[in-house]
Amino acid sequence: AQKVTQAQTEISVVEKEDVTLDCVYETRDTTYYLFWYKQPPSGELVFLIRRNSFDEQNEISGRYSWNFQKSTSSFNFTITASQVVDSAVYFCALSEAGMIKAAGNKLTFGGGTRVLVKP
Amino acid sequence: EAQVTQNPRYLITVTGKKLTVTCSQNMNHEYMSWYRQDPGLGLRQIYYSMNVEVTDKGDVPEGYKVSRKEKRNFPLILESPSPNQTSLYFCASSLGGERNSPLHFGNGTRLTVT
Repeated sequence: AQKVTQAQTEISVVEKEDVTLDCVYETRDTTYYLFWYKQPPSGELVFLIRRNSFDEQNEISGRYSWNFQKSTSSFNFTITASQVVDSAVYFCALSEAGMIKAAGNKLTFGGGTRVLVKP
Repeated sequence: EAQVTQNPRYLITVTGKKLTVTCSQNMNHEYMSWYRQDPGLGLRQIYYSMNVEVTDKGDVPEGYKVSRKEKRNFPLILESPSPNQTSLYFCASSLGGERNSPLHFGNGTRLTVT
């Protein structure tokens, strides 16, 4: 069965520090997709990134970067030079190819990591 | 604007009083689903629908009902709410088929059952 673990429940940093959020996943499917979502204090879910299991290239988008390593089943997320606006709960999620038609494109979420960036 | 609309945004009710949370999408998506979010547990799928009149249970369906009479609407019904259903609820939609397409989430409904 699929599972996503975010071991860090809360991280507190001072503005301009880098912060890395860990995500470890379990799946038996060879084709799967990994996601990160941001949930600011207002509560909505903001999509950040999607990667498929065949693409292990790291990705950078502004101050955000993602490190996907199939060998360790990890998909870690780094915020460089953090800002107060980065304060939010961040979720890692997994979608298995087998669950797309079997369960309506179901996402399995980790428990989330709350990031608090202090000025 | 492409969106998933949930109503209400906040709801406080008492145990046993039936309620419905509405969800509507304007993207002609086949797949729709409901998730609940609880601290430390992330989001968990309650029910999903592959198309009109096709619905099925997700991981935590107890105490909930859904219907899909029209493609755009997917209401979540709590016939006899209990305090353990106090949670943040999200509706989501996506294209159908076998290819993964991103989920579009509504803005959430915060439900409190006293």
